[in-house]
Parts: sequence; structure tokens; C-alpha cells
Amino acid sequence: KQEVTQIPAALSVPEGENLVLNCSFTDSAIYNLQWFRQDPGKGLTSLLLIQSSQREQTSGRLNASLDKSSGRSTLYIAASQPGDSATYLCAVYDSNYQLIWGAGTKLIIKP
Amino acid sequence: KAGVTQTPRYLIKTRGQQVTLSCSPISGHRSVSWYQQTPGQGLQFLFEYFSETQRNKGNFPGRFSGRQFSNSRSEMNVSTLELGDSALYLCASSLAGTGTDTQYFGPGTRLTVL
Repeated sequence: KQEVTQIPAALSVPEGENLVLNCSFTDSAIYNLQWFRQDPGKGLTSLLLIQSSQREQTSGRLNASLDKSSGRSTLYIAASQPGDSATYLCAVYDSNYQLIWGAGTKLIIKP
Repeated sequence: KAGVTQTPRYLIKTRGQQVTLSCSPISGHRSVSWYQQTPGQGLQFLFEYFSETQRNKGNFPGRFSGRQFSNSRSEMNVSTLELGDSALYLCASSLAGTGTDTQYFGPGTRLTVL
């Protein structure tokens, strides 16, 4: 059974710092891995999707990497801003065509 | 292009009642998935519909059901509501629901069961 874990559960950093969020999964048989952000009281916004054959994806200040063999992904946020404050979730699209979710990392960027 | 819309946004019901939630996908998207989000269990997959057929189902009791119409709009029904059904219900749409698709989420329906 696929399990997704995100570490840390919460993170608070000063504005301007670079930071890394971690995601691990137990079964490497995945189709893709996706990173989302969720703002309080709102739905989910897709940030990056990495296909199982890819190693990384970049969008603006965000860079996500995928190492299927070790069951790990990282989301790198450069030059963090207060607007980056949100909960970040990773999810793997597994062999059963289901998105399996991590519990999320709550990120606070202090001005 | 309009995003995924969900109605209603908030709902309060009592135990034993039933409820129907609606989701309108992005135009052209044929796959609609439903998720339940609670503080204790996080996000859990309910089911996915493609071209009016349920293609995949998560581990939820039969009280949770859904359907999809020919215009790809989807409804989710929960019968005999329990206190534990209080949650944020999210729907997501994608082009075909394959491993290459990005899922786009609606704002969710907040269901409170009293």
C-alpha cells in the first residue's frame, strides 16, 4: 500500500531564505508526483507535476526533483516571500490511478 | 477559461440526512475526481469518473456514491450522514485522468454534520 510522508510538518523561516520541503513515498511504481499548495479555506493549486521518467521540473522560483529509486521528492523554493505562506502537499499518482497524498507541510514566511 | 466550480460552498446537515454535492469541471475536461479532506485523515480519494463511468473508487463505504453526466458535470451523494462525514469535499478535473494530466481543483464544499 502506497504511503506518502512529508517532513517537516511545519516550517517557519524569515523572508528571503531558500528552503526545501521533503516528500517520500513507499512504492516506486508511480506515474507521476505532484506538488500543490493550499491556502486557508481554499482549494488546491497545482504547482508542479513531475512525470515518472523525469528528474525535475521548474516553475519560476520553484524547483521540484524526483528520485523514484529512493522514493523521494523535494520542493525547493528560492528567495521566499510572505505570499508563499501556505500548506504544501505532495501527492503521487500510483499504479491504481489514484492520487495518494501526504499530510502536508505548513509553511510560514515571516516578513 | 473558467475554473472548476463546486456548489454549494457550505452545507449544514443533521445525522441521518442525505446530501448531494455538485462539481462542474473545466470545459473540455472529461475526468472528474472527488476527495475528502479532514484534519485527522488528510486528503483521501473517493472516486473518479470518466465519460459517465466510474473508473476508480477509493476505500469508502457504499453511502458515498457519485455520477457523471454527459456534459462531464458530476455529483456526489452521501446518504445517512454521520458526524464523521464532516469534511471539506474537493473535486478535481483533468483532461483524461491519466498519469500525464494535471488535476485542477475546485474551492470545495464544506460539509458540517450536526
